[in-house]
Amino acid sequence: DAGVIQSPRHEVTEMGQEVTLRCKPISGHDYLFWYRQTMMRGLELLIYFNNNVPIDDSGMPEDRFSAKMPNASFSTLKIQPSEPRDSAVYFCASSLDVGKNTEAFFGQGTRLTVV
Amino acid sequence: GQQVMQIPQYQHVQEGEDFTTYCNSSTTLSNIQWYKQRPGGHPVFLIQLVKSGEVKKQKRLTFQFGEAKKNSSLHITATQTTDVGTYFCAGPTSGTYKYIFGTGTRLKVLA
Repeated sequence: DAGVIQSPRHEVTEMGQEVTLRCKPISGHDYLFWYRQTMMRGLELLIYFNNNVPIDDSGMPEDRFSAKMPNASFSTLKIQPSEPRDSAVYFCASSLDVGKNTEAFFGQGTRLTVV
Repeated sequence: GQQVMQIPQYQHVQEGEDFTTYCNSSTTLSNIQWYKQRPGGHPVFLIQLVKSGEVKKQKRLTFQFGEAKKNSSLHITATQTTDVGTYFCAGPTSGTYKYIFGTGTRLKVLA
């Protein structure tokens, strides 16, 4: 398996523009997580899905952020409009079964820069 | 809300020296996980501890879960340059699968 795949790897955009980050979880994994990492705030969980259904989105910072999982093999995180303070590395991770074995597999991340 | 703190924030050691990072949760955890993130990389799972007082070893790495299940530690014996990176602990919010990551300990190993 290729692991969790994220695209793009790097994104530079202007303030006010819409940004869409994409994630393909590992096949067969029931859980998908979106994290944001910054020097100031560390690794923050934004939202997670179970079987394509959003379970907890309390970490989503503002209404400008939205996430979808239309099917088991694809998820998006959208920021509209983007602001400079959204600059961070965004990670997607997936887990097989968050019961006994809850190991999360992380993608390579998307480094977002909003200028 | 639940907080997971780690100390120290940074640690520089000479190659061959030992290293320990400590993780403290504000709430009791059902389990705790440890991850390693190399510079410029992504977090990679190391281990999960479930039982109170549990100790697990992976070669030079020793992981411990506290008796009260609110703290944990990672000890590396005789560090090598390949140990460089940031070590995170992560624990789930009670009754959920929402894992809160600790603040991380950044390890530098000087050759």
